[in-house]
Amino acid sequence: GNSVTQMEGPVTLSEEAFLTINCTYTATGYPSLFWYVQYPGEGLQLLLKATKADDKGSNKGFEATYRKETTSFHLEKGSVQVSDSAVYFCALWDLTGRRALTFGSGTRLQVQP
Amino acid sequence: DGGITQSPKYLFRKEGQNVTLSCEQNLNHDAMYWYRQDPGQGLRLIYYSQIVNDFQKGDIAEGYSVSREKKESFPLTVTSAQKNPTAFYLCASTIPGAMNTEAFFGQGTRLTVV
Repeated sequence: GNSVTQMEGPVTLSEEAFLTINCTYTATGYPSLFWYVQYPGEGLQLLLKATKADDKGSNKGFEATYRKETTSFHLEKGSVQVSDSAVYFCALWDLTGRRALTFGSGTRLQVQP
Repeated sequence: DGGITQSPKYLFRKEGQNVTLSCEQNLNHDAMYWYRQDPGQGLRLIYYSQIVNDFQKGDIAEGYSVSREKKESFPLTVTSAQKNPTAFYLCASTIPGAMNTEAFFGQGTRLTVV
């Protein structure tokens, strides 16, 4: 079946530091990949997405590249801000199987001023 | 504004009671989903529905039930058979069948058993 593995958190960084959150996946088909963000007490919001190999998704300074050869979709940001503190979820959508998002366990990011 | 509305935001249940969580969307999406979120476990799929009057079990359906009588509504009932119902519940909707579709989420309902 499908699965998503994320690095465990929390990740604690100082403002303006470089961020990487690792995500790898297992899927039977050719999934689309997503990063969602959850701020305290709220639902999830789409951060970025990529639908095929070598695609790069980007939004609000965050980037992730769909790497089929390593089955990875790592999230990066060059300079984090305090306002980026949230929980980040990697997810996949596989139309050849169950038509629902499969999520990783989430990674909490804490950015200190 | 289009979106998904979950109610209530906080819900307290006594042991042995059934409770129903509401999820309504005005996005005209065919597909709707219920997820459960527990600390450190990410989101786990409870039930999903691709179309009105049809729904499928997800990974943790035991102790839960749903109905999909209207396109815009997908209520979740947490029954007394659910052994550990305290969690944060999220409802989502999408356009089914699109590889790059965005899932829209409600603000969630936090259920606590007292």
